[in-house]
Amino acid sequence: ETGVTQTPRHLVMGMTNKKSLKCEQHLGHNAMYWYKQSAKKPLELMFVYSLEERVENNSVPSRFSPECPNSSHLFLHLHTLQPEDSALYLCASSQDALNTGELFFGEGSRLTVL
Amino acid sequence: TQLLEQSPQFLSIQEGENLTVYCNSSSVFSSLQWYRQEPGEGPVLLVTVVTGGEVKKLKRLTFQFGDARKDSSLHITAAQPGDTGLYLCAGGDNQGGKLIFGQGTELSVKP
Repeated sequence: ETGVTQTPRHLVMGMTNKKSLKCEQHLGHNAMYWYKQSAKKPLELMFVYSLEERVENNSVPSRFSPECPNSSHLFLHLHTLQPEDSALYLCASSQDALNTGELFFGEGSRLTVL
Repeated sequence: TQLLEQSPQFLSIQEGENLTVYCNSSSVFSSLQWYRQEPGEGPVLLVTVVTGGEVKKLKRLTFQFGDARKDSSLHITAAQPGDTGLYLCAGGDNQGGKLIFGQGTELSVKP
């Protein structure tokens, strides 16, 4: 139990569906992240939120839309995805986004796009 | 662009053997972290090294940060099946706190 919970753990969706991934952290951290993990590739940072404000967006396609309603919750809204978007999506939190301190990861949401 | 290259990408060994995983870059990092990710789980931090030449030990795991802070190694002594997992190195830069991850080393330790 890392203190970061992700739901759903597995998701299968068609290219025309709309779905959302949810992340909740119970650690009192100020920063939350979405990462994409694909086989044989480095973890790819998608979005960073610090105190509910987006501080980084690494040129992620607009079919991925993040939402951070408060410092404990983070969502990733998905629509009209492509098969190459199939991957493990990891949520993480840290004390703050300014220093490269420890990241606490959730167990991930395994996404399959048909 | 800062990159971290890990080697080997895959390693399959017998229980009791020793192994070393490498993490190399042409860039200097302010710190270097090692994570382990078990199947079906998210990565979990093992150690952070911040000083060039620093060596840290965690039971059978020994971590070293290169003198120039461009590379790191993880050595496991007498590997056990419980060490099986994906080992990730991550370098901290000095620009806004972003972590740069390597592609990982997948370790399988057979009984």
